[in-house]
Amino acid sequence: GQQLNQSPQSMFIQEGEDVSMNCTSSSIFNTWLWYKQEPGEGPVLLIALYKAGELTSNGRLTAQFGITRKDSFLNISASIPSDVGIYFCAGQIGGSWGKLQFGAGTQVVVTP
Amino acid sequence: NAGVTQTPKFQVLKTGQSMTLQCAQDMNHEYMSWYRQDPGMGLRLIHYSVGAGITDQGEVPNGYNVSRSTTEDFPLRLLSAAPSQTSVYFCASSTGGNEQFFGPGTRLTVL
Repeated sequence: GQQLNQSPQSMFIQEGEDVSMNCTSSSIFNTWLWYKQEPGEGPVLLIALYKAGELTSNGRLTAQFGITRKDSFLNISASIPSDVGIYFCAGQIGGSWGKLQFGAGTQVVVTP
Repeated sequence: NAGVTQTPKFQVLKTGQSMTLQCAQDMNHEYMSWYRQDPGMGLRLIHYSVGAGITDQGEVPNGYNVSRSTTEDFPLRLLSAAPSQTSVYFCASSTGGNEQFFGPGTRLTVL
């Protein structure tokens, strides 16, 4: 079953505000990934993290790989309307390629 | 490059019918996988392949078959559709890291 807990489930924010979401796991992960999904489309990779403690940015997005290897967070700064979508975390256990586990997603709604 | 393509985009089946969801990629990726997405549950891995001729089960493989005869194609077969298989299905591919690229999805309804 699903081992990743992603929170919050949804966020309603005003344009310009910062957004923060996180994922926690009962297992240690070697890789954390953050995806964004827009309606009617497949998930698109935003940020990939490979080392405990790693902090990586992609434009207004910043993500960190927790030092315990059991958690990760994603921040979006100065949100804009096109940030609307569902954000998923995903983690990989051990060395087995392809066995990603996904969180249930955080739905972000940005109002002007 | 078209990336990862999936057909059909939408499908309605009756219980007991069989069908094949198609997935193709033109990026010469060795690794391909199938996920299903249900409301509030994220994506769950059905089957995956690390190369032509090699497949393995994921988290929810029951009721689905796969084969990988070429690097480009990774079809997913539903042998006898059930209402519980109503879902959105995504195919993904990768060069070998975990940075998987997803197709646009197939929305399947089983009546």
